[in-house]
Amino acid sequence: SELTQDPAVSVAVGQTVTITCQGDSLRNSYASWYQKKPGQAPLFVVYGKNYRPSGIPERFSSSRSGNTASLIISGALAEDEADYYCNSRDSSTNLYVFGSGTKVTVL
Amino acid sequence: QVQLQESGPGQVKPSQTLSLTCSVSGGSISISGHYWSWIRHPPGKGLEWIGNIFYSGATYYQPSLESRITISLDTTKNQFSLTLSSVTAADTAVYYCARLYSGYAGDAFDIWGQGRDVTVSS
Repeated sequence: SELTQDPAVSVAVGQTVTITCQGDSLRNSYASWYQKKPGQAPLFVVYGKNYRPSGIPERFSSSRSGNTASLIISGALAEDEADYYCNSRDSSTNLYVFGSGTKVTVL
Repeated sequence: QVQLQESGPGQVKPSQTLSLTCSVSGGSISISGHYWSWIRHPPGKGLEWIGNIFYSGATYYQPSLESRITISLDTTKNQFSLTLSSVTAADTAVYYCARLYSGYAGDAFDIWGQGRDVTVSS
């Protein structure tokens, strides 16, 4: 089971960017999303049907349609510049897989 | 507040065994509903899920690594461990331990350790 992400996207400060993740496992399982900055541990930002852990700003949201999950950053800030990874579980094997990652540049 | 901390050698020789431990504080490792996981980040590449262990001891491994890895629990020390045998340079990575929440709302690696940088080199 694989999850495919666009390698890179860019967004102007204050604009909205959508990061997509495609894979067959997403038809039966929700994705979770992680922000990764150099030298830091990944930060869990959204999971399931658009749930955010405490402390994560409301500008981070998620959606799913068919085999595609999306992370939406509404009103991007310079501090959102990072790599973003999706993850999901293959419901038939209970094994997990990370997407290939998307580098987000905030202009 | 649950916290995780990896420990273990920062350098391992090729063909030897990598051993890492994750110490869990602020909560019990034996709580149902949570899995305990290992994830790695090789330089210049993406995150890679290595495997999970449930509080019962049930394990789930990345198929490409399954023949070389063991994840185990030590409930007396509130720790879990990773061993990876026959390492090569391709196993050089930052290794993270993480808690996996799995529930009706979905799954998420919700708490992470700081990471342990491991280099495979002679």
